[in-house]
Amino acid sequence: AQTVTQSQPEMSVQEAETVTLSCTYDTSENNYYLFWYKQPPSRQMILVIRQEAYKQQNATENRFSVNFQKAAKSFSLKISDSQLGDTAMYFCAFMIFTGNQFYFGTGTSLTVIP
Amino acid sequence: DTEVTQTPKHLVMGMTNKKSLKCEQHMGHRAMYWYKQKAKKPPELMFVYSYEKLSINESVPSRFSPECPNSSLLNLHLHALQPEDSALYLCASSHGQKHPYEQYFGPGTRLTVT
Repeated sequence: AQTVTQSQPEMSVQEAETVTLSCTYDTSENNYYLFWYKQPPSRQMILVIRQEAYKQQNATENRFSVNFQKAAKSFSLKISDSQLGDTAMYFCAFMIFTGNQFYFGTGTSLTVIP
Repeated sequence: DTEVTQTPKHLVMGMTNKKSLKCEQHMGHRAMYWYKQKAKKPPELMFVYSYEKLSINESVPSRFSPECPNSSLLNLHLHALQPEDSALYLCASSHGQKHPYEQYFGPGTRLTVT
């Protein structure tokens, strides 16, 4: 069975500062994908960043980057230069190569303070 | 076009009503999903269609009935719902069998059962 754990239910960060959201997962699979999704209040869930497990290089997308530690089964998201529009629920998600089912973490509610 | 559309945006229904939720995508995706989401919680998978065939049914009560008329459309038929079924219902799609594997989410239908 696959499980995804987000241990920080709520976080806050000052505008322009950097924040890191943590995610750990458990699986016996070797080939899988990891994702971070963002869901702003009353708005659509959108993909922030994707990491393939077979890639050693950490994924980056503009101000968003991940620290992927496969052996430790850890997948944290770093948001640099936080903006008010980053205020949202952030969900970590896991998917094995051979399936099409996502396993979501419980989410972290991030508030960016002006 | 990377859009998943859902109608209606809001729905209020009584426990004896029959209604349907609709989801549409024109990205050529072959996997489509229904999720139920409560406030500040992760999406809970209900159904997965792969190549227009139901591939996953997460033990959802029979008062929810999915239908996939073609590769672009996904419906969720609702009948004799309970107040605890009030939630945001999300539709998503993905390529299904090829990269990239991320899911694209629609804006959701906010359902209230009275």
